[in-house]
Amino acid sequence: DAKTTQPNSMESNEEEPVHLPCNHSTISGTDYIHWYRQLPSQGPEYVIHGLTSNVNNRMASLAIAEDRKSSTLILHRATLRDAAVYYCILKMRAQKLVFGQGTRLTINP
Amino acid sequence: DAGVTQSPTHLIKTRGQQVTLRCSPKSGHDTVSWYQQALGQGPQFIFQYYEEEERQRGNFPDRFSGHQFPNYSSELNVNALLLGDSALYLCASSLAYFRAISTDTQYFGPGTRLTVL
Repeated sequence: DAKTTQPNSMESNEEEPVHLPCNHSTISGTDYIHWYRQLPSQGPEYVIHGLTSNVNNRMASLAIAEDRKSSTLILHRATLRDAAVYYCILKMRAQKLVFGQGTRLTINP
Repeated sequence: DAGVTQSPTHLIKTRGQQVTLRCSPKSGHDTVSWYQQALGQGPQFIFQYYEEEERQRGNFPDRFSGHQFPNYSSELNVNALLLGDSALYLCASSLAYFRAISTDTQYFGPGTRLTVL
């Protein structure tokens, strides 16, 4: 399973943008980059995924480096409800999700 | 539209006992995966069921077994419980990858908290 590296924790302020980095230098051509988050006392929740191009949805944006060896999840305007553990996962279609330790994001009011 | 549901919410068992956890997938989904999440860790993949068969399996002993029913719901069984089996057990459902529009995004339930004493 291809590995990802994320900071253990990050802190930001409410209503400010948050950039969560992820390094994946051993990514293969068929690996999709997935982001899930887990709010306290809940199951993980899908956030966004991409293959090569940057992606936007109602929750976040995903910026993928040109060489695909790193990516950044962008929360445009953090709220207190965005406090969670964020997991960056490389996954081929039909394969299992392999979770690492993730980044624990704290949002200050 | 109901999401993924799991039962029970919490469960307390003693060492050596057996336990069955249940999962109903999101409406329209046909694939169910099970994960174990120890305190402070990320979820670990146990196995995945599609068309009532185990399709993929993680690094878990045979004490962990499962079943998928014709209505796509699933059960996770754990025999001869050990203290180390105490964890949050998560069920995730998805569309089989060849049906999904782009990729097989997984939708997770709230989990069952199992405590083994």
